[in-house]
Amino acid sequence: EIVLTQSPGTLSLSPGERATLSCRASQSVSSNFLAWYQHKPGQAPRLLIHAASSRAAGIPDRFSGSGSGTDFTLTINRLEPEDFAVYYCHQYGMSPPPFGQGTNLEIK
Amino acid sequence: EVQLVESGGGLVQPGRSLRLSCVASGFTFDDYAMHWVRQAPGRGLEWVSGISWNSGRIGYADSVKGRFTISRDSAKNSLYLQMSSLRAEDTAYYYCAKDVTYSPVNFFDWWGQGTLVTVSS
Repeated sequence: EIVLTQSPGTLSLSPGERATLSCRASQSVSSNFLAWYQHKPGQAPRLLIHAASSRAAGIPDRFSGSGSGTDFTLTINRLEPEDFAVYYCHQYGMSPPPFGQGTNLEIK
Repeated sequence: EVQLVESGGGLVQPGRSLRLSCVASGFTFDDYAMHWVRQAPGRGLEWVSGISWNSGRIGYADSVKGRFTISRDSAKNSLYLQMSSLRAEDTAYYYCAKDVTYSPVNFFDWWGQGTLVTVSS
């Protein structure tokens, strides 16, 4: 079973700064089938990135994804107040499809 | 606009059953696989179950296999999760999510806001 490990668990930054979130897989991710979601309390999770680096429709270009194999990164440039949330990586193309445990991006 | 609205959550005793529903709108329900994903208090997201567009392919997490049953009704644009033999560890927000294709092995482009299931005596 593939395990996704996200780091850091909590990231404290200020608006305007850059956030770098990591997701490491215990085995190589086939075809870069790796997605990122944003989740705010009381709201529906929101798809940000799929195929490791493709932005979903309507996602601002300050969000970018990169990586391949076992190491993936979500970068958020010029943090806006609405970007503070929990972020999850997700490997798909398999069953069961694992999620990482999440990174809590909080305002410093 | 795509909307997924879950219902059916509540407080239930251990060992009892509960049925969750998700009504979909804003897209052709019959064309897409659907999923249930849950989040226990203080925990991350956990995939629970997925079903293909025609119910021909169904999958379950090991933690719910044999206890939960996923189904869908195209006439009602609805997804269901029948949960039985509930345990305290099933306590979570349950989210309905839309797959990007007809097969339940891809990522999720739309999610509902969730319904809370609490298993406690």
